[in-house]
Amino acid sequence: DTAVSQTPKYLVTQMGNDKSIKCEQNLGHDTMYWYKQDSKKFLKIMFSYNNKELIINETVPNRFSPKSPDKAHLNLHINSLELGDSAVYFCASSQVNGNQPQHFGDGTRLSIL
Amino acid sequence: GESVGLHLPTLSVQEGDNSIINCAYSNSASDYFIWYKQESGKGPQFIIDIRSNMDKRQGQRVTVLLNKTVKHLSLQIAATQPGDSAVYFCAEQGAGNMLTFGGGTRLMVKP
Repeated sequence: DTAVSQTPKYLVTQMGNDKSIKCEQNLGHDTMYWYKQDSKKFLKIMFSYNNKELIINETVPNRFSPKSPDKAHLNLHINSLELGDSAVYFCASSQVNGNQPQHFGDGTRLSIL
Repeated sequence: GESVGLHLPTLSVQEGDNSIINCAYSNSASDYFIWYKQESGKGPQFIIDIRSNMDKRQGQRVTVLLNKTVKHLSLQIAATQPGDSAVYFCAEQGAGNMLTFGGGTRLMVKP
């Protein structure tokens, strides 16, 4: 009955590779998000996406791209991975109308060797 | 293993005492605020929220206070329990429903 699920939970790869992280939500929400949490626990928004609009945090490199096959999924593709991409990535979802809290997955820890 | 977040401010309380965690936010136009709890190896978990037309909201054992004049939020936890040990984040909602998080406070509860 997991609400927001991400796979994989851990991802270890080499610099320069391309990788994807998958996210699915079964809450019927219309908006999904990706956040990055660094080693100091600081959480930063990367993307906000619903079927009408993609909002990109201007600090996110264009090597990162969200892909949404349907309303319940928002995958994160990362090209040409760099050492500084090592972090925990969280997916979240919410209803866009009204002030509703976002629900988070348990994160994907990405380690770049 | 998971990084410890060595630079996080830490609040240490005795079990049964009340805890108060403070947060300053940046955008005076923000109209929705949320407190999240993050346990080790888990994602942020919703605790309580408050809209800008309120200055106080109570949940079960938790109370959020909002002071818009000084852009300050606080989370009060009554009768703190060992299971409350976690990192706590405040967040403000902006354009596109995107959340801007505070830096987090680690709460340690001593039995």
